[in-house]
Amino acid sequence: KAGVTQTPRYLIKTRGQQVTLSCSPISGHRSVSWYQQTPGQGLQFLFEYFSETQRNKGNFPGRFSGRQFSNSRSEMNVSTLELGDSALYLCASSALVAGGDTQYFGPGTRLTVL
Amino acid sequence: GEDVEQSLFLSVREGDSSVINCTYTDSSSTYLYWYKQEPGAGLQLLTYIFSNMDMKQDQRLTVLLNKKDKHLSLRIADTQTGDSAIYFCAEAGGFKTIFGAGTRLFVKA
Repeated sequence: KAGVTQTPRYLIKTRGQQVTLSCSPISGHRSVSWYQQTPGQGLQFLFEYFSETQRNKGNFPGRFSGRQFSNSRSEMNVSTLELGDSALYLCASSALVAGGDTQYFGPGTRLTVL
Repeated sequence: GEDVEQSLFLSVREGDSSVINCTYTDSSSTYLYWYKQEPGAGLQLLTYIFSNMDMKQDQRLTVLLNKKDKHLSLRIADTQTGDSAIYFCAEAGGFKTIFGAGTRLFVKA
């Protein structure tokens, strides 16, 4: 099976712009989670989607939003970018309906905000 | 609240054993995980343990779980330079997974 894929791998934006990141889960996986990784804050949970519904959300401002499509692919959007949004954004997919199931990560999208 | 704590750095010599420790707070966690992250890459699942187990061994990896103390450890036997990476401990239960800040393992040749 192909792994989790994320596009693009690298992105450079300027403050005030918006960005959309994409994640394709492993085939058959219906849950997709997004994380922000920075050197100072470590790995922070953004949100999790299952069957096109957001099941869980971390403590991020409303500028961060996401959605999931019927084929389980997910997108994450950040509006009005700030310098502090520079990070590695990781997507993970999992198979089971219940929580606590194993997550498989993509390679990440490295976002740099200038 | 939920929290997972790990020491930030560990340095070992090639061939020695590495032990990375982690404490967590949510006693209802169902699974506990260890992930490895190499530079520029995503997280790779190394191993996991169910909360009703005390120990799990997988080749060079041994996971020990002390549920009473909410303490999890990962032992890497015969550590190699290729084991140099960041190791994340995570607890999972419900619909989310909580990660520690990661332990950076340095392996000296």
